[in-house]
Amino acid sequence: AQKITQTQPGMFVQEKEAVTLDCTYDTSDPSYGLFWYKQPSSGEMIFLIYQGSYDQQNATEGRYSLNFQKARKSANLVISASQLGDSAMYFCAMREEGAQKLVFGQGTRLTINP
Amino acid sequence: EAGVAQSPRYKIIEKRQSVAFWCNPISGHATLYWYQQILGQGPKLLIQFQNNGVVDDSQLPKDRFSAERLKGVDSTLKIQPAKLEDSAVYLCASSSQRRDTQYFGPGTRLTVL
Repeated sequence: AQKITQTQPGMFVQEKEAVTLDCTYDTSDPSYGLFWYKQPSSGEMIFLIYQGSYDQQNATEGRYSLNFQKARKSANLVISASQLGDSAMYFCAMREEGAQKLVFGQGTRLTINP
Repeated sequence: EAGVAQSPRYKIIEKRQSVAFWCNPISGHATLYWYQQILGQGPKLLIQFQNNGVVDDSQLPKDRFSAERLKGVDSTLKIQPAKLEDSAVYLCASSSQRRDTQYFGPGTRLTVL
């Protein structure tokens, strides 16, 4: 069974608008971590933000925030005031306490239009 | 602080040939990972090292893939012999400890003809 689901293969957004990238996950482990990575066309994976399953507050890092809804098993990434440089693939990933390894979703390709 | 280094960045080989990739993690990072990313998919873990010991190699095709991290620092991933379906980007990542955030290198794009 797929553990991380990203249902949006592609998204197109106007510059300066906010954008939400969806991510749902499936786990029976009560302790887990959720990550978002950005992958530009150059290929490197850039860490953006982390949310722990026991964290009380939603994570924020600059223009990035994570809308964590534990009961719905969703961990959507919100990018405020989008910029042209935000155009890239975005991957949601989960690490279960027991498994240790990261499991990635299929990714969402975000395109910011001027 | 220097990031994760990988070489080469690109490699083109013919099927049945062998190839090796090199990774140098962030200084002081004990845990090192190799991922395979096929076009249009998310990365998939191949092998995880803690210092110079293997923690997880359950998804490594051991009949053709091998990896080592002899001194607990840099690592080499080898494919021998390569198949067409091995065409992918091979990403190396490192973390300070097993539960910490993983930081990735630029990747090696392999094309098998």
